[in-house]
Amino acid sequence: GQQVMQIPQYQHVQEGEDFTTYCNSSTTLSNIQWYKQRPGGHPVFLIQLVKSGEVKKQKRLTFQFGEAKKNSSLHITATQTTDVGTYFCAGHKGGTSYGKLTFGQGTILTVHP
Amino acid sequence: SAVISQKPSRDICQRGTSLTIQCQVDSQVTMMFWYRQQPGQSLTLIATANQGSEATYESGFVIDKFPISRPNLTFSTLTVSNMSPEDSSIYLCSFFPGPKGYEQYFGPGTRLTVT
Repeated sequence: GQQVMQIPQYQHVQEGEDFTTYCNSSTTLSNIQWYKQRPGGHPVFLIQLVKSGEVKKQKRLTFQFGEAKKNSSLHITATQTTDVGTYFCAGHKGGTSYGKLTFGQGTILTVHP
Repeated sequence: SAVISQKPSRDICQRGTSLTIQCQVDSQVTMMFWYRQQPGQSLTLIATANQGSEATYESGFVIDKFPISRPNLTFSTLTVSNMSPEDSSIYLCSFFPGPKGYEQYFGPGTRLTVT
């Protein structure tokens, strides 16, 4: 079945350092979504990318969708303690754009002040 | 944005018993989902609950163990039956708002401990 792999599993950074998490799918995705889950919280939607090669920015966060629509990345510039949490990528299988998502394993980000 | 609630928020149960988790959305939604999440782990989809039809279960999950009800477009329940310690986890419901929205909204989760 479709697998979505995410690396690294853990990332510890000093406040102010940059952070990147990578997501790779075994099959082409219709879209890629990113979610953030704060410790003790539930996943919260961040963004969706749909187009091949798409890049979107949200303040210090930059999201990319690969040309082949099989990989994606989330980059955070100058991390802050409020960035702490687990970042999940999730995708829809090729041909669908809604409904059931396949989640990556998540990257747990720790930011040391 | 829509509000989604779950109850109970947490419970400690004895093995062999069953627990029903309720999920309420403040607007009508077509697709609702039930996930399981071990602490520090990813989300594993248990089933998709569609109003008016049987839930669709993912590989490794069966209706006898995780019966789901979806009596209307705003409400769903998940029952964890004949519990064992391996069922200890966080259970989350979520919904997909439909053709005009593509993101999933998650409930706050139910933390279940089976002793």
